[in-house]
Amino acid sequence: DTEVTQTPKHLVMGMTNKKSLKCEQHMGHRAMYWYKQKAKKPPELMFVYSYEKLSINESVPSRFSPECPNSSLLNLHLHALQPEDSALYLCASSQGRNDPSPLHFGNGTRLTVT
Amino acid sequence: GESVGLHLPTLSVQEGDNSIINCAYSNSASDYFIWYKQESGKGPQFIIDIRSNMDKRQGQRVTVLLNKTVKHLSLQIAATQPGDSAVYFCAENPRGGYQKVTFGIGTKLQVIP
Repeated sequence: DTEVTQTPKHLVMGMTNKKSLKCEQHMGHRAMYWYKQKAKKPPELMFVYSYEKLSINESVPSRFSPECPNSSLLNLHLHALQPEDSALYLCASSQGRNDPSPLHFGNGTRLTVT
Repeated sequence: GESVGLHLPTLSVQEGDNSIINCAYSNSASDYFIWYKQESGKGPQFIIDIRSNMDKRQGQRVTVLLNKTVKHLSLQIAATQPGDSAVYFCAENPRGGYQKVTFGIGTKLQVIP
């Protein structure tokens, strides 16, 4: 089991649907991340929240909308996705201080867009 | 740097042998390096890290070597076990931008019993 919990584990949605991915950590970490991972590829950074403020947006299309309600929770709202958005979406957290620290990942949400 | 390809580099190792997984990085401003292990159906798991002011760091059965001159990182796994079978990613962080973690292409390690 990981200390970062992601729900749901699997999600199938149509191109007109609206859905949300959820992520929770209780390690007291102050930085939280969304990554997208396609098969046989490395994770690609999408968004970073630092102290509940969006600090990095890697030019992600607006059909992906992140939200950080508090220091333990991170959401990714999905709307009008395309089939090519099908991927594993990984949430991660880190201590968030100025010194570097490793990321702690959840096991991801496997998203299929039909 | 990263290469784009359809096939993940694969390393096949006999159980009990030592494994060496290599990674080239491109950003000379990178200051912090991490190795992650990703098993099928799971998220990446932290293995070991190293700062740029070091050239070697050892953990339990794992050693990371950093050669800043040629921008090369390696992960050595001693006495490789079937449970070590996974995809291994190196990741780098630039100095002052520690949240912008960039992953390498990954290497699949297959342990032959």
